[in-house]
Amino acid sequence: EAGVAQSPRYKIIEKRQSVAFWCNPISGHATLYWYQQILGQGPKLLIQFQNNGVVDDSQLPKDRFSAERLKGVDSTLKIQPAKLEDSAVYLCASSYPGETYEQYFGPGTRLTVT
Amino acid sequence: AQSVAQPEDQVNVAEGNPLTVKCTYSVSGNPYLFWYVQYPNRGLQFLLKYITGDNLVKGSYGFEAEFNKSQTSFHLKKPSALVSDSALYFCAVSLNTDKLIFGTGTRLQVFP
Repeated sequence: EAGVAQSPRYKIIEKRQSVAFWCNPISGHATLYWYQQILGQGPKLLIQFQNNGVVDDSQLPKDRFSAERLKGVDSTLKIQPAKLEDSAVYLCASSYPGETYEQYFGPGTRLTVT
Repeated sequence: AQSVAQPEDQVNVAEGNPLTVKCTYSVSGNPYLFWYVQYPNRGLQFLLKYITGDNLVKGSYGFEAEFNKSQTSFHLKKPSALVSDSALYFCAVSLNTDKLIFGTGTRLQVFP
């Protein structure tokens, strides 16, 4: 089966610019996650969707970050305006609810804010 | 609050020798524990999990991990390391099986 797809793979922007990341989960996976992985740290959950509804966005900096999952499939994560500390890898993951609890990760988008 | 500790930033081992990557956790309740591996420029890959049952769990690529409730540990092990095992390993804990709390990662370097 096809894995989790993410684009772009790399992005360089200047601070105060905006950026968007796209994720296409594994077919049939109702749960979708966005993580932020700063260099030298483990991934940190930003937001979790169940179909097109938000389950957990407690760690999403809502003043600058937004995410949506229209139609319960693809998702986009947006940062506006970006700050230097947003430089990180943004990982998307998906899972089939109630089955083995495994999350399947995409390759990530490496964001550099200059 | 839930937390995971991986006390070693890097583990070095010779090919063919056994390897151990340490993980301890802190949760209030029964934990679900996971190990993921991250190769360069790739996303995290699931290795194994402990949900309930036998304390020794076996996973992909010959890895295994032992759940020790009294020591609140979930160390990753492999009897004979391969150079291709060199990667970044993350331990993670969950209480409700959805929200994963990851450790800071341990870089495993296997030398030929």
